[in-house]
Amino acid sequence: QSALTQPRSVSGSPGQSVTIPCTGISSDVGSDIYVSWYQQHPGKAPKLMIYDVTKRPSGVPDRFSGSISGNTASLTISGLQAEDEADYHCCSYARSYGVFGGGTKLTVL
Amino acid sequence: EVQLVQSGAEVKKPGESLKISCKGSGYSFTNYWIAWVRQMPGKGLEWMGVIYPGDSDTRYSPSFQGHVTISADKSISTAYLQWSSLKASDTAMYYCARREYSLIGMDVWGQGTTVTVSS
Repeated sequence: QSALTQPRSVSGSPGQSVTIPCTGISSDVGSDIYVSWYQQHPGKAPKLMIYDVTKRPSGVPDRFSGSISGNTASLTISGLQAEDEADYHCCSYARSYGVFGGGTKLTVL
Repeated sequence: EVQLVQSGAEVKKPGESLKISCKGSGYSFTNYWIAWVRQMPGKGLEWMGVIYPGDSDTRYSPSFQGHVTISADKSISTAYLQWSSLKASDTAMYYCARREYSLIGMDVWGQGTTVTVSS
């Protein structure tokens, strides 16, 4: 699987919704699709926000949601807050290894 | 508290060898895959490979196969990432992470180890 494609940057105002696409998703053996999303603040380790395309780990606000259409996965953040400003990385899995997208910088205006 | 604690920053010269570590605590280290992820300065994340400390089953990304070695010592709950001959292009932050959810859901991350390779 080649590296996944994400826009370099997106922006939105507080309270708005933004969607970050991640293109190039392919299925693993048996047509299973695995996508996760990570949030990374400057100088910090990544934090898991979404796994298995749509699932949220405990403690992640339900403002964060994941979806997929064709070969494009998306992360949607609703009700934008200042603390959501960060880099977001998508990740997929196929043929026994994972691959990340290039990352998207979210700016909260 | 579940945590992964990585070894400290390293400054090396091209051609030198290096082994960095990632020590798990607060959970059963042998029951969870550990992933290694590279982040070059100002760039995105890159999946390097994973290891299952219970039996040392290891999988590498094709991009890193043959360039690094991932290992683990379950007796001391520690995973390792090593190079036999560093290059300047290995300069990066390296993270270890525990794979808790499905195949790519890493829920606990180490603090990162900075590796600088310069002559």
